[in-house]
Amino acid sequence: NAGVMQNPRHLVRRRGQEARLRCSPMKGHSHVYWYRQLPEEGLKFMVYLQKENIIDESGMPKERFSAEFPKEGPSILRIQQVVRGDSAAYFCASRPGLAGVTDTQYFGPGTRLTVL
Amino acid sequence: AQSVAQPEDQVNVAEGNPLTVKCTYSVSGNPYLFWYVQYPNRGLQFLLKYITGDNLVKGSYGFEAEFNKSQTSFHLKKPSALVSDSALYFCAVPGGSQGNLIFGKGTKLSVKP
Repeated sequence: NAGVMQNPRHLVRRRGQEARLRCSPMKGHSHVYWYRQLPEEGLKFMVYLQKENIIDESGMPKERFSAEFPKEGPSILRIQQVVRGDSAAYFCASRPGLAGVTDTQYFGPGTRLTVL
Repeated sequence: AQSVAQPEDQVNVAEGNPLTVKCTYSVSGNPYLFWYVQYPNRGLQFLLKYITGDNLVKGSYGFEAEFNKSQTSFHLKKPSALVSDSALYFCAVPGGSQGNLIFGKGTKLSVKP
């Protein structure tokens, strides 16, 4: 049973370009979370999605960031017009949705974004 | 607001000795607590969680954690540390009804031979 998949593992972008990060949840999981790990700031929640719905985006910056989880295919975190401050590790986690807040979230290996 | 605190940035232990990584929590309602481990340049791996019941929770790789309601703590323990346990450890709680996790700042565990 494959775990949470993320690609690319490493992404380099120049300032002003777009970054697209993809996450395929574990088989049977319909709930996806995105977190960002910044140096010296720890892991922070960004957005929570279910298939075709954004449930909670309270942790995501209002501008330049967007997320989706289509009916078919992976979840996408999109960052437009990247700036150096966006350099971080972005992690996706999924859970099955059987036990609410007590569900275990399983994390992907992360995408390390570097903005030049 | 839900929160967890990891008071130690780093814990150093000799191989074979017992280890403890500390976590305290502040929650409204029932406490649900998680421990994750992160190896360098990797994602987080789930170790264990407390939902209800027995205060001693056993998890992966020989780790266990003790839930203490009076001290609002959920310390991670292992009777005999291995060099391969060296990693970053995170304590977490659900931030609300949507299940997003709130993490402590992490504790770096270093186990020396």
